[in-house]
This record gives sequence, C-alpha cells and structure tokens, in this order.
Amino acid sequence: GNSVTQMEGPVTLSEEAFLTINCTYTATGYPSLFWYVQYPGEGLQLLLKATKADDKGSNKGFEATYRKETTSFHLEKGSVQVSDSAVYFCALSDLYNQGGKLIFGQGTELSVKP
Amino acid sequence: AAGVIQSPRHLIKEKRETATLKCYPIPRHDTVYWYQQGPGQDPQFLISFYEKMQSDKGSIPDRFSAQQFSDYHSELNMSSLELGDSALYFCASSLGGPGEGETQYFGPGTRLLVL
Repeated sequence: GNSVTQMEGPVTLSEEAFLTINCTYTATGYPSLFWYVQYPGEGLQLLLKATKADDKGSNKGFEATYRKETTSFHLEKGSVQVSDSAVYFCALSDLYNQGGKLIFGQGTELSVKP
Repeated sequence: AAGVIQSPRHLIKEKRETATLKCYPIPRHDTVYWYQQGPGQDPQFLISFYEKMQSDKGSIPDRFSAQQFSDYHSELNMSSLELGDSALYFCASSLGGPGEGETQYFGPGTRLLVL
C-alpha cells in the first residue's frame, strides 16, 4: 500500500542554518504530495504542495520538489528562524486509487535555537 | 478567512462513556475528513464524507460512527470509550469530492482524554 517515510527527529538547528527534512514515498498511482506543519498545541497547517512530477511547492521560504525518479519530496529552507520550531509532516494523497485521504509520515520535530 | 471549526476543543470522559465531536467545515466545502492523532503519532485517517454520503473508511473502530448533515457539518460519535481512544481528533474539509485534488484544510482538533 501507499506509505510515507520521513527522517527521524528531533532535528535541532541554530538560527539561520540550512534545513533539510527528507521524505520518501511509496504509491501505486500518481499522488499529490504535501508538507503540513503543526505548531505546539495547534492543528495542522498546509505549508506547501505539489501535484505532479517536477513541480516545486514553496511557501514562507520553504520549498520542496516532487521527484518521481527518486520518489522523494524533501523539505528545504535556506535560513531557519526560531519561529519555525514545530513538527513537520510529509503526506500524500493518491487521488485515483485511494480517494482523497491523506497518508502521513511519522513527523519530524524541528527545534531552532537562537 | 473562515476556517474549520471543531467543538469541543477539549473533552474528558470516563471509560465506557460516549462522546460526540463536531466539525463545521469552511463555508462551501462539501467534503469532510476525520483523522485521529495519538500522542507522538502521525494522524491516521478514520472516515470521510462527500455530499452527506460516506466516501471512504479507514481504521475506524466499530464503536465509532459518523455522519454529515445537510449543512455539511459532521459529527463523530464514539461509544464505549476506551483508554486508547485518548487522542487528538482532527477534522479537515475540502471543496469537491475525494479524488478532485483539492487541498484539505484542518481544524484545530478536539483533544479527548479518556480516564
């Protein structure tokens, strides 16, 4: 079945450091890929998405490129801030094979220190 | 902009009691999804509705039931609660049926604690 695997956390970085959170997926169809962010005590917020191969999603300095050849959707940011501290979830939606439900990775906790 | 509303935000119940969680989707959104997130876990899909009909079902216990009403709000009914039901329950809404590729927008969640 479809699945998402993320790099394990927690990830601890200093402010202004470069961030990469790896995400790989397994899917039988042509999934859309998402990154959601969850701040402490809050719900899930959509960070960015990509709906087809080679698409790049970007938002708030974060970006991720849908790589079909490596089945990956790694999240990157050039310079993280303390306010980026949160849990990041990679997710897929296999629209034609499994409806619209989201399948999430296990989440990666990011902690950014001043 | 209006967001997904969930109520209550926090709920404490005893074992074997029942609970009802409510979800009010973003206006005009016709599709609702329910997810359960255990402590330190990723959200797991429970069930979804499109135009008041169940569209998909995931790992939802038989003790749980849900429906979507004519105004598109949805309720998740949980009976014979167990300690393991303690979790954060999210509702998400989207426009267009499952498979339409629309982004899901999440509510703040209902935190259920079963004692």
